[in-house]
Amino acid sequence: GDSVTQTEGLVTLTEGLPVMLNCTYQTIYSNPFLFWYVHYLNESPRLLLKSSTDNKRTEHQGFHATLHKSSSSFHLQKSSAQLSDSALYYCALRVNNNNAPRFGAGTKLTVKP
Amino acid sequence: AQTIHQWPVAEIKAVGSPLSLGCTIKGKSSPNLYWYWQATGGTLQQLFYSITVGQVESVVQLNLSASRPKDDQFILSTEKLLLSHSGFYLCAWSLWGVGAETLYFGSGTRLTVL
Repeated sequence: GDSVTQTEGLVTLTEGLPVMLNCTYQTIYSNPFLFWYVHYLNESPRLLLKSSTDNKRTEHQGFHATLHKSSSSFHLQKSSAQLSDSALYYCALRVNNNNAPRFGAGTKLTVKP
Repeated sequence: AQTIHQWPVAEIKAVGSPLSLGCTIKGKSSPNLYWYWQATGGTLQQLFYSITVGQVESVVQLNLSASRPKDDQFILSTEKLLLSHSGFYLCAWSLWGVGAETLYFGSGTRLTVL
């Protein structure tokens, strides 16, 4: 079945350093949709960015990710971490409308001064 | 504007007691609806989804059931709670489409089973 792997459960960074959260996926479908959702404490999870286009960079709120179908990856990056980026980040996969998006285990990002 | 309302905000229940959690979406007709669950310290796990009234697909049941009695309402329930049911329950909706549609989450229900 389809699956999403986020290798880091916890990431702690110093403010100003680059962020990279890994996401790889497995599916037999050739046109998957990949998403990053962010879950701030005491808020609802919300979409950060999404893509279904191979090798095209997508950006939002200083974060960016590129879907690479050759490596089944959709890593989330940011050039400089901010304290306000501390949150839980979920990578999600969807292959069509007839199922619920499948989420990875999540990565808790903590940014320290 | 679309709004999603989950109720209750929090529940403390005894093992073996029944449970009913609700979710209502206003401002959007025929949305896809989803229930997700997050154990304390755990990940978001999909439970159920529905693309139309009266039709619910189970992804992981966990001794829970779901129903969609109205176009804008999604109910999660069980007749007997287990300790393992504790956690955070999130309802979400999306538009119907080919799969790229964003999920919009409610504010969640925190369930504690004692």
